[in-house]
Amino acid sequence: DGGITQSPKYLFRKEGQNVTLSCEQNLNHDAMYWYRQDPGQGLRLIYYSQIVNDFQKGDIAEGYSVSREKKESFPLTVTSAQKNPTAFYLCASSPGQGSNQPQHFGDGTRLSIL
Amino acid sequence: AQSVTQLGSHVSVSEGALVLLRCNYSSSVPPYLFWYVQYPNQGLQLLLKYTSAATLVKGINGFEAEFKKSETSFHLTKPSAHMSDAAEYFCAVSVDFSGGYNKLIFGAGTRLAVHP
Repeated sequence: DGGITQSPKYLFRKEGQNVTLSCEQNLNHDAMYWYRQDPGQGLRLIYYSQIVNDFQKGDIAEGYSVSREKKESFPLTVTSAQKNPTAFYLCASSPGQGSNQPQHFGDGTRLSIL
Repeated sequence: AQSVTQLGSHVSVSEGALVLLRCNYSSSVPPYLFWYVQYPNQGLQLLLKYTSAATLVKGINGFEAEFKKSETSFHLTKPSAHMSDAAEYFCAVSVDFSGGYNKLIFGAGTRLAVHP
């Protein structure tokens, strides 16, 4: 079945450590997105990518970095500069062209501080 | 700028009762609107989408939503709540950015509780 796979499901970060969240899709979608979800705040866009080797900052990119070396993969690194990383992180993808295209979501990674 | 407001962060209904989750949007152009559902510790699942073909949109699990331009609303309803409907629901509006790709602006979400 086509879909989006996020791993790991749970992740713990130590002080000063960078951690990387994986996102893989086999939907052949061009666009991919990373969101952060905090209770009562909905979803906020961290980074998005329209095509391979191109990505743009979203609304809350500080303390995060991404890469898009393959169409299927869009990993997110939470750096030590992100002082409040505890949240639920969701990856999504869409075919890309057209505002009427819904985004498809993975099952998320919950990141906590040790 | 486009935005979405969901009235009521928590809604509680009895099993079998009508479900009404409210969503109002702000958009300078005809919007594309979506409702998503999220179960605990899971991602978002698309319930339905409005893309201007019809004002009453039917989705999965018996949900539907009506687009009302005059009220800038896209409320989600279900005639009879089931225990399995307990989840968090998000309304979102699609925004175009460069190259024709879309960005979703989400409301803060409404948590639906269903009690026996």
